[in-house]
Amino acid sequence: EAGVVQSPRYKIIEKKQPVAFWCNPISGHNTLYWYRQNLGQGPELLIRYENEEAVDDSQLPKDRFSAERLKGVDSTLKIQPAELGDSAVYLCASSLGQPRADTQYFGPGTRLTVL
Amino acid sequence: GENVEQHPSTLSVQEGDSAVIKCTYSDSASNYFPWYKQELGKRPQLIIDIRSNVGEKKDQRIAVTLNKTAKHFSLHITETQPEDSAVYFCAASPGGFKTIFGAGTRLFVKA
Repeated sequence: EAGVVQSPRYKIIEKKQPVAFWCNPISGHNTLYWYRQNLGQGPELLIRYENEEAVDDSQLPKDRFSAERLKGVDSTLKIQPAELGDSAVYLCASSLGQPRADTQYFGPGTRLTVL
Repeated sequence: GENVEQHPSTLSVQEGDSAVIKCTYSDSASNYFPWYKQELGKRPQLIIDIRSNVGEKKDQRIAVTLNKTAKHFSLHITETQPEDSAVYFCAASPGGFKTIFGAGTRLFVKA
């Protein structure tokens, strides 16, 4: 069974440019998470989806970040415009979901460098 | 909201020795506590987890203990090997889905 797939693996852009990340979760996993991981720190949740509904986006900087999961499967995270402080690894994870906490499986991440 | 503190930030042990990493959490509603291992440049991978109805869980050289009263849980690695060198993250999940991660412990196992 394939794990969580993310692309691209690496992205280098100049500040003020837009960037998008794509995630394909494990088949059958209803819950999808986007995390940001800064160097030397743990993952920080940006947004969580239950199927196609964003149920927790309190940590998503909505002025420049947006996300969608239109059909409840793949998801896209976008930053527009990117700032220097957005340089980080963006991790996608998925889990089976309700009714209780379940193991999250992480993708390989997208390492974003903003110049 | 939940807050997870992890100590130490760096741990260096000799091969064959034991390593212990400790975490505390703030939200008494947390009921799921996973531990992830992240090697350099790779994704975090679950190595062991424990739920609030269990006080201890063991898987070969890895064990986790949970003290709900004190709100702390620990990871124990025995007979450490060089391939155990990585960053380890604890996490706590209140109500199931909002997982809060600790800042990580960088473990070095010296051969």
